[in-house]
Amino acid sequence: EVQLVESGGGLVQPGRSLKLSCAASGFTFSNYGMHWIRQAPTKGLEWVASISPSGGSTYYRDSVKGRFTISRDNAKSTLYLQMNSLRSEDTATYYCATNHIHTFAYWGQGTLVTVSS
Amino acid sequence: DVLMTQTPVSLPVSLGGQVSISCRSSQSLVHSDGNTYLHWYLQKPGQSPQLLIYRVSNRFSGVPDRFSGSGSGTDFTLKISRVEPEDLGVYYCLQSTHFPPTFGSGTKLEIK
Repeated sequence: EVQLVESGGGLVQPGRSLKLSCAASGFTFSNYGMHWIRQAPTKGLEWVASISPSGGSTYYRDSVKGRFTISRDNAKSTLYLQMNSLRSEDTATYYCATNHIHTFAYWGQGTLVTVSS
Repeated sequence: DVLMTQTPVSLPVSLGGQVSISCRSSQSLVHSDGNTYLHWYLQKPGQSPQLLIYRVSNRFSGVPDRFSGSGSGTDFTLKISRVEPEDLGVYYCLQSTHFPPTFGSGTKLEIK
């Protein structure tokens, strides 16, 4: 059974940093691209970043480019999102998801990031 | 970015009834590889989204055949027949043909 467990969310002041983790199990992590998707409170879904199976290719939405870094450790089956220079508009629940069948097939339960002073 | 327009925003339904949700894209979702990367998700209250339909009409593992997807080009539909209580929540369409992937704004299915 595919399992994704996010962690690392919390309350952080504007301009500070936070690093999210996503621990994967139940599939061969190194074979699949991975994604981060977020959802602001009471809002819709927004893709944030993606990474290839090897980690050699990464992709970001414009609003986080230069501030967020997606990475992975295939030996630990773990996905990361380093978030720097956080803004109030980054407040959201962050989900990791797998790239099975060319879409976001399996999702974690999410971790809430609140950016506020 | 490709704009995904979902209608209606809210959809009251009687249990056992049938409903349709529309999703229209601002440009064709046919990829250069010939596939159409339009997918449907359900987010139940307090849960993360779950994949229902991938590539227009393919049911994901464990999804009952009450759910069906259709459409082509820029116009897509999700149909739910014999609605059950566990079907309630917000439905989203997603396109991953063009970068960046974009979601529709959601359709809330609720009891009439």
